[in-house]
Amino acid sequence: QVQLVQSGAEVKKPGASVKVSCKTSGYTFTTYYMHWVRQAPGQGLEWMGIINPSGGTTTYAQKFQGRVTMTRDTSTRTVYMELNNLRSEDTAVYYCARVTPTSSWLFDYWGQGTLVTVSS
Amino acid sequence: EIVLTQSPGTLSLSPGERATLSCRASQSVSSSYLAWYQQKPGQAPRLLIYHASSRATGIPDRFSGSGSGTDFTLTISRVEPEDFAVYYCQQYGNSPQTFGQGTKVEIK
Repeated sequence: QVQLVQSGAEVKKPGASVKVSCKTSGYTFTTYYMHWVRQAPGQGLEWMGIINPSGGTTTYAQKFQGRVTMTRDTSTRTVYMELNNLRSEDTAVYYCARVTPTSSWLFDYWGQGTLVTVSS
Repeated sequence: EIVLTQSPGTLSLSPGERATLSCRASQSVSSSYLAWYQQKPGQAPRLLIYHASSRATGIPDRFSGSGSGTDFTLTISRVEPEDFAVYYCQQYGNSPQTFGQGTKVEIK
């Protein structure tokens, strides 16, 4: 069965960087794009960007351009999201979300979420 | 980018009642590429409806979606205890894709 397993919670200081991983199993890794979506405490969903695990190409939301990097490792079937220059407003649960077989913009499988807390 | 406004913010219902959730877009959503997700506390969202009215795999038929252009609706015909959650709409027809702010369906 399809599984997306994310790395554990992180606590970072303002200005630091965080790298969250999403290890996949149960499907052909290079066939399905992966997105990253975050959710601040008590808030809604915010799209961050998309990565094509086959070629590694990415598209980032304008808000995060210059601060986010999404990568993948095909040997371990893992995608990564690194966010730099963290501020308190980046405190959120970060999700990886796999696309459906029929649309690159619908999400049918999600990781369990990784809480990133930014605090001095 | 397209802004999605969901209403009401909170819907208080008793089990067995009908739920009607609205999602209004700031401009027309291309090809009715509008989806609905359900999120329960501490869980990731779950895809319910895509292309405005198509149910995702395994979604009970008490969930239905309708609408086009700028106005979309998610209906739960008879709310079950497990349906109390937050519901988000998402448009994916125009770049960048965007989410609404959510409607919470709570027990009355």
